[in-house]
Amino acid sequence: AQSVSQHNHHVILSEAASLELGCNYSYGGTVNLFWYVQYPGQHLQLLLKYFSGDPLVKGIKGFEAEFIKSKFSFNLRKPSVQWSDTAEYFCAVRFNKFYFGSGTKLNVKP
Amino acid sequence: GAVVSQHPSRVICKSGTSVKIECRSLDFQATTMFWYRQFPKKSLMLMATSNEGSKATYEQGVEKDKFLINHASLTLSTLTVTSAHPEDSSFYICSARGVQGSDSYEQYFGPGTRLTVT
Repeated sequence: AQSVSQHNHHVILSEAASLELGCNYSYGGTVNLFWYVQYPGQHLQLLLKYFSGDPLVKGIKGFEAEFIKSKFSFNLRKPSVQWSDTAEYFCAVRFNKFYFGSGTKLNVKP
Repeated sequence: GAVVSQHPSRVICKSGTSVKIECRSLDFQATTMFWYRQFPKKSLMLMATSNEGSKATYEQGVEKDKFLINHASLTLSTLTVTSAHPEDSSFYICSARGVQGSDSYEQYFGPGTRLTVT
């Protein structure tokens, strides 16, 4: 069955540290890939998406993600996190429908 | 960006009663809306896909007679939890998909509705 895995359930970083959140999916066909963020008390918002083309995707707020087809991965990165990045991050993959990962809670210490 | 609202944001109901949750796309027309359920510490689980003017498509394991979905207009979909039980307590989130084009697979999410059944 198709699935989306986020390996890190809870990540704690200090400000200015670099971030990488893992996302892997299990499906060999064409996919669309997304990262969503949910700030405390707010709804899910799109950070970035990949449909085709350059596998390195730039999103809002300095986030980027790289699609590596051979590894079935779409990891989210940010070179230097800020306290305001504290949120829960969800990876989503669209095969015939959307599949979401279980989310990663990021706590950034000021 | 596109805005999707949900009402109510929180609802507490007694076991055996029915609860209706509304999902509205405020500034765009959504031919397709999705209903998700989010369990604690777990991912969003797609319950059903709602297409304007037609019957909803339910995911495997979701009881369509229990979770009634109506998508009567391009800006409104409703989810009615019928004869609610405590195990139906959860966080329900809707999303709406925009018109065809480059964003045709992008979903805009509502803020969610916390349902507690006592």
